[in-house]
Amino acid sequence: AQSVAQPEDQVNVAEGNPLTVKCTYSVSGNPYLFWYVQYPNRGLQFLLKYITGDNLVKGSYGFEAEFNKSQTSFHLKKPSALVSDSALYFCAVRDSTGSNDYKLSFGAGTTVTVRA
Amino acid sequence: DSGVTQTPKHLITATGQRVTLRCSPRSGDLSVYWYQQSLDQGLQFLIQYYNGEERAKGNILERFSAQQFPDLHSELNLSSLELGDSALYFCASSVGIQRETQYFGPGTRLLVL
Repeated sequence: AQSVAQPEDQVNVAEGNPLTVKCTYSVSGNPYLFWYVQYPNRGLQFLLKYITGDNLVKGSYGFEAEFNKSQTSFHLKKPSALVSDSALYFCAVRDSTGSNDYKLSFGAGTTVTVRA
Repeated sequence: DSGVTQTPKHLITATGQRVTLRCSPRSGDLSVYWYQQSLDQGLQFLIQYYNGEERAKGNILERFSAQQFPDLHSELNLSSLELGDSALYFCASSVGIQRETQYFGPGTRLLVL
């Protein structure tokens, strides 16, 4: 079984401050990890993913995430948040050992609000 | 724009009715996934097709069915609709089925009255 936890329903930061959105996961084998962002009345937009290799992954719009196997975490970060980063963020995981089951399991989502 | 298209954008119908949601994957993508997003259940995987064949099933009700056609577009059929089926239905596509990123369409918002 695979699952994702996003421990914070909401994250509030001031524009220009660092932004962190937390994610922990559980899989049987090695994880494939993804971050998506959803703006109001829009679909999910892909931000970045970790498959293998360097633990620090850089993605779209200045976002990055760090894979930590010992802590089973994949936190999303941005050094300097913008008001336009205000949105709903989802972490997702897929177990690499799955044979036919290639679904993504999503966390509940974290609402990020960046105040001017 | 992800390149995945979904129609219609909005759908309002009554309980007991049947609706069909349509998805066209990105050019070159062989795999199509359907997800349901609701306030109480969050984002739930429903079903996956790869090159016309069903590959995985998630929390999909027996009243729901899907298929992927030879031109790779997919349809999700929802029948005997209930109030609780009101949700946002997303289609996603990927090139293959292993490590590839899933790209999501804009969704179809279904309201059952």
